[in-house]
Amino acid sequence: SQLAEENSWALSVHEGESVTVNCSYKTSITALQWYRQKSGKGPAQLILIRSNEREKRNGRLRATLDTSSQSSSLSITATRCEDTAVYFCATDRGNYAQGLTFGLGTRVSVFP
Amino acid sequence: EAAVTQSPRNKVTVTGGNVTLSCRQTNSHNYMYWYRQDTGHGLRLIHYSYGAGNLQIGDVPDGYKATRTTQEDFFLLLELASPSQTSLYFCASSEGGGGNYAEQFFGPGTRLTVL
Repeated sequence: SQLAEENSWALSVHEGESVTVNCSYKTSITALQWYRQKSGKGPAQLILIRSNEREKRNGRLRATLDTSSQSSSLSITATRCEDTAVYFCATDRGNYAQGLTFGLGTRVSVFP
Repeated sequence: EAAVTQSPRNKVTVTGGNVTLSCRQTNSHNYMYWYRQDTGHGLRLIHYSYGAGNLQIGDVPDGYKATRTTQEDFFLLLELASPSQTSLYFCASSEGGGGNYAEQFFGPGTRLTVL
């Protein structure tokens, strides 16, 4: 089973609207990262939020972290067509191992 | 800006074939990773390395070998390829000091098909 997983397979919004992707994880973490993967490209990091942080912003992006419920969310405001991508959360692999474990991803489609 | 390149970008081989996927990073990062991406499974870590000559096992290492020849170069080897290894492979790099805190920079991917 996945150590980290997003809660929706796919979301669709119109340009200008906001969208939120949710993630839950199963292990104690040091940090959680959000990545975006556009079609035909490798993933690219959007935000890293540490376990002692509750919120992190990066432009139109806002990530939250709730360690008590082992969940995180990534919100995108004022969406644009170019925000269309698959969004992943990624966390520690556990047992002090290096590297990341990724969720299955949520496909976000932004329509004009 | 960080740069990770992979070659080839596409590869077709037959069952039992020998395949080497190459990755080069010009970021001076210590850590390098190999992932495979499959529908329904997401990105899964195969092997990683924290320096030349070092190799660590990831979550799905069976059927794969890897070698880190220099700080820049990391290779993934499939010595007896099987159809189950048909996948999209990504290489990534990150700075040292703890991969879990560090941003990983991904290459463009190699699509491997094993017939």
